[in-house]
Amino acid sequence: GESVGLHLPTLSVQEGDNSIINCAYSNSASDYFIWYKQESGKGPQFIIDIRSNMDKRQGQRVTVLLNKTVKHLSLQIAATQPGDSAVYFCAENPGGSNYKLTFGKGTLLTVNP
Amino acid sequence: NAGVTQTPKFQVLKTGQSMTLQCAQDMNHEYMSWYRQDPGMGLRLIHYSVGAGITDQGEVPNGYNVSRSTTEDFPLRLLSAAPSQTSVYFCASRPAGRGYGYTFGSGTRLTVV
Repeated sequence: GESVGLHLPTLSVQEGDNSIINCAYSNSASDYFIWYKQESGKGPQFIIDIRSNMDKRQGQRVTVLLNKTVKHLSLQIAATQPGDSAVYFCAENPGGSNYKLTFGKGTLLTVNP
Repeated sequence: NAGVTQTPKFQVLKTGQSMTLQCAQDMNHEYMSWYRQDPGMGLRLIHYSVGAGITDQGEVPNGYNVSRSTTEDFPLRLLSAAPSQTSVYFCASRPAGRGYGYTFGSGTRLTVV
């Protein structure tokens, strides 16, 4: 089965609100995590990553939180905009594998104006 | 830089036909991978390469062949197309080593009738 999964398959928010997208992973050996954004008809686009020796990393309007104790990853988007509407995937890089990324099924984020 | 370029963008095949999906990257990345994306299934790894002349199977390799004669190119061959291979195919590349995410192409939407 999937080693990376999402709690919520869909999320609908109002423009200007903050969004939180969650992800659970099961491989405790994973040491690198990535969030991707995929707009309709396009390939996944890198948003932000985090290594397992960190518990928080911030980018422009996005923050990723990593809780290794419960094997949970979240993506926070501040002041969500209509352009943020997309499917968001978390991916993990299992320890011992340089090439492999395991993807979750994705969460569809819809931003209502 | 163009990044990862995939051709064609769309293709319709008849059952039993063969074809090659092209992928090229201009970032001098060592690692390249092919994923397929199906509704509700997320991204699944078909084949990957860690350098010119080196390829290996991913999670769902049956019915596909790859080769890597140069760093830049990583074509995916469908040997005898089946309706189960109807999917969106993504090529991706990344530098060698740990702690890097993949850069994805824009995808090839393949329909097998």
